[in-house]
Amino acid sequence: GAGVSQSPRYKVAKRGQDVALRCDPISGHVSLFWYQQALGQGPEFLTYFQNEAQLDKSGLPSDRFFAERPEGSVSTLKIQRTQQEDSAVYLCASSGDRARPQHFGDGTRLSIL
Amino acid sequence: GENVEQHPSTLSVQEGDSAVIKCTYSDSASNYFPWYKQELGKGPQLIIDIRSNVGEKKDQRIAVTLNKTAKHFSLHITETQPEDSAVYFCAASPTNAGKSTFGDGTTLTVKP
Repeated sequence: GAGVSQSPRYKVAKRGQDVALRCDPISGHVSLFWYQQALGQGPEFLTYFQNEAQLDKSGLPSDRFFAERPEGSVSTLKIQRTQQEDSAVYLCASSGDRARPQHFGDGTRLSIL
Repeated sequence: GENVEQHPSTLSVQEGDSAVIKCTYSDSASNYFPWYKQELGKGPQLIIDIRSNVGEKKDQRIAVTLNKTAKHFSLHITETQPEDSAVYFCAASPTNAGKSTFGDGTTLTVKP
């Protein structure tokens, strides 16, 4: 398939553990976005990459959240010392450039016990 | 920052009727307004979008209107079908910035 792929689809972790969420964007897409979606709400922006450059990280809730895209393709969102309020669906989207529509993956559902 | 409000939060219609969802935004710099459909367990899927230089756009049974002066835009679905049942989100994006600000969604139920 040529869509945005996210893994794992589901992740359960104990409070205090670190987690890493992966996003494989559509091949050739230079822009990549991470969003957090709480139950019953719309996605909320976390961070944005253009190629390997992180141009906007204003939505990251705390310094426990870290994102990288070292080669301008695959991206990883890392959450350190997880807390219960981190439980949400984490969505990744990519686009050909920032002026074009974003294509979303199906997300990773993170549950912190 | 941008604030997007979406109404109603739930909408139930009979098959064949029309459905209208409305959104308002606050940042006059926003110039791109996509609409997404999200089914259970799936990511949002773009169904239609509009840019600020256009007042209306239509794609088969779906249409979107934009009033930049009033800062509101609407989604219109005609001849609704049960498979239109889903959560719909509006969003707004400012010029030269990639991030979208989403509304809180509308759960549309189309009763057969």
